[in-house]
Amino acid sequence: ELKVEQNPLFLSMQEGKNYTIYCNYSTTSDRLYWYRQDPGKSLESLFVLLSNGAVKQEGRLMASLDTKARLSTLHITAAVHDLSATYFCAVEEDSNYQLIWGAGTKLIIKP
Amino acid sequence: GAGVSQSPRYKVAKRGQDVALRCDPISGHVSLFWYQQALGQGPEFLTYFQNEAQLDKSGLPSDRFFAERPEGSVSTLKIQRTQQEDSAVYLCASSPTPYGYTFGSGTRLTVV
Repeated sequence: ELKVEQNPLFLSMQEGKNYTIYCNYSTTSDRLYWYRQDPGKSLESLFVLLSNGAVKQEGRLMASLDTKARLSTLHITAAVHDLSATYFCAVEEDSNYQLIWGAGTKLIIKP
Repeated sequence: GAGVSQSPRYKVAKRGQDVALRCDPISGHVSLFWYQQALGQGPEFLTYFQNEAQLDKSGLPSDRFFAERPEGSVSTLKIQRTQQEDSAVYLCASSPTPYGYTFGSGTRLTVV
């Protein structure tokens, strides 16, 4: 059974700082997704990582995937208040279209 | 439409009442998924359609849950005899390809 673990589950940080959210999963996977969710809102797609060594960047966010270690990271550079949200990773198991989700990381960035 | 549309946005049901939640996927999207998201948790898979065919319903928690997509576009998730543990946000997602999902805003169901 595929399991996805995120850490930390809660992160409070100051603007301007850097930090990394980690996503570990338990079996082989074709694809890994990062989503953002604001309170009371739906899930916004951030990144889709399709292969080992994939790195994608959008603004202050950068995601990477190491399929051998079964680990993805979401790195935040010089955080700004607008990035406050809950971030989820989700893994699509090989030959299976279901997304298995982490519990989410609630990120609060203080101005 | 431009995005995945879900209705109603909020639903309060008395315990034992039946509810129906609607999902309008992006036009032309073949794949449609329903997920359940409890408060403070990640979504959990409920069911998957490819066009009108329900290919996987393994995530439906009980036989009180039923989903359909009769013409391969709009989908309805029905919950019979609602119970308090059914309270959650129900998310619909659609996809045109083997990967890449667009989620709707969800229906927040509260069973009282």
